[in-house]
Amino acid sequence: GVTQSPTHLIKTRGQQVTLRCSSQSGHNTVSWYQQALGQGPQFIFQYYRKEENGRGNFPPRFSGLQFPNDSSELNVNALELDDSALYLCASSLHQGFIDGYTFGSGTRLTVV
Amino acid sequence: DAKTTQPNSMESNEEEPVHLPCNHSTISGTDYIHWYRQLPSQGPEYVIHGLTSNVNNRMASLAIAEDRKSSTLILHRATLRDAAVYYCILENYGGSQGNLIFGKGTKLSVKP
Repeated sequence: GVTQSPTHLIKTRGQQVTLRCSSQSGHNTVSWYQQALGQGPQFIFQYYRKEENGRGNFPPRFSGLQFPNDSSELNVNALELDDSALYLCASSLHQGFIDGYTFGSGTRLTVV
Repeated sequence: DAKTTQPNSMESNEEEPVHLPCNHSTISGTDYIHWYRQLPSQGPEYVIHGLTSNVNNRMASLAIAEDRKSSTLILHRATLRDAAVYYCILENYGGSQGNLIFGKGTKLSVKP
């Protein structure tokens, strides 16, 4: 499946954070979502073949990378209190239209 | 992206069938209908997806109205492990890939 690290993280406002994701074996697409408490996940961006392939309504201080082994990172600069949320990574083959997206259990980020 | 409407919550008894409705009156011809569910403290889990015809898999069935303006997720025999938030999502093939727009979903409770 999809594994994410760390599971929990506490950061101070203004700091930078890197979240990591290992995709399911054989998957070539990875997407990142932010889920605030009590809400559905919100799409941040997607990477396909190491290129950003779509982006939601998030500022440029949210950035990502996809590595040759299809693992991925989400970087957030200049953290704000509202960035506190569960961050979910989802991988898929061919953008999810075959067998859907496989989600990890997420990283819970708290900004204080 | 087209919007979906779901009831906020539903209740079911264990071992009985559950029909979870979803309205998507503004669906376009290239929108796929996806269903995901999210158990407490976990990431969303892919359930099923379809375009025009009814679909079955090991988890559930998806019944799509002839005009495609509504669909129903059918769990044939609910178990306590099916208690989750169920999301009905439209994804446009050829649109912004990976952008699954999650609403608030339907919270399904299963009584023993």
